[in-house]
Amino acid sequence: GAVVSQHPSRVICKSGTSVKIECRSLDFQATTMFWYRQFPKQSLMLMATSNEGSKATYEQGVEKDKFLINHASLTLSTLTVTSAHPEDSSFYICSARDRNEKLFFGSGTQLSVL
Amino acid sequence: DAKTTQPPSMDCAEGRAANLPCNHSTISGNEYVYWYRQIHSQGPQYIIHGLKNNETNEMASLIITEDRKSSTLILPHATLRDTAVYYCIAHAGGTSYGKLTFGQGTILTVHP
Repeated sequence: GAVVSQHPSRVICKSGTSVKIECRSLDFQATTMFWYRQFPKQSLMLMATSNEGSKATYEQGVEKDKFLINHASLTLSTLTVTSAHPEDSSFYICSARDRNEKLFFGSGTQLSVL
Repeated sequence: DAKTTQPPSMDCAEGRAANLPCNHSTISGNEYVYWYRQIHSQGPQYIIHGLKNNETNEMASLIITEDRKSSTLILPHATLRDTAVYYCIAHAGGTSYGKLTFGQGTILTVHP
């Protein structure tokens, strides 16, 4: 079956540094990818929609300059958390939609900012 | 996405059927009912979806009421590995498919 690979699975960084998270569709082309954030004991919240070759669309309240999204190819989208702070600590999850409009989720990235 | 309401938690004995209800009384005619589940510290996993007819696959069955205002996900023979948070989502799909609105879901605990 289709697989979405997310890397790294866990990252710890110092406050003020930037962290890049990769989301790859391994055996299909994903024209659209989505980024979610999930705080402990809460549900997933959509952050942004990433379309290949164009700018991402951010949900209300999500700072586009802080959460940089790049979708340069049909198999890769990246989320960079810039100048991370402890309040950015969260579980980040990507999903990818294939040409048949099926949706596949990555395994998530646990970000801890010290 | 239409609002969905689910019980916060449910228990089920291993080997028995788990019946997870979902209320979506304001669902639109073009919205499907999707079910996903999330095992701790993993990404959501697709289970099943339907529009108005009942659906069955290798994982589960989905029963949608005739008025489409509620549905039930059935795991016919629950195992310990089915312990997870189950999300019911009403979503139109199409070109906007993927911008899912996750509610709080139901924490299903399967016990021996």
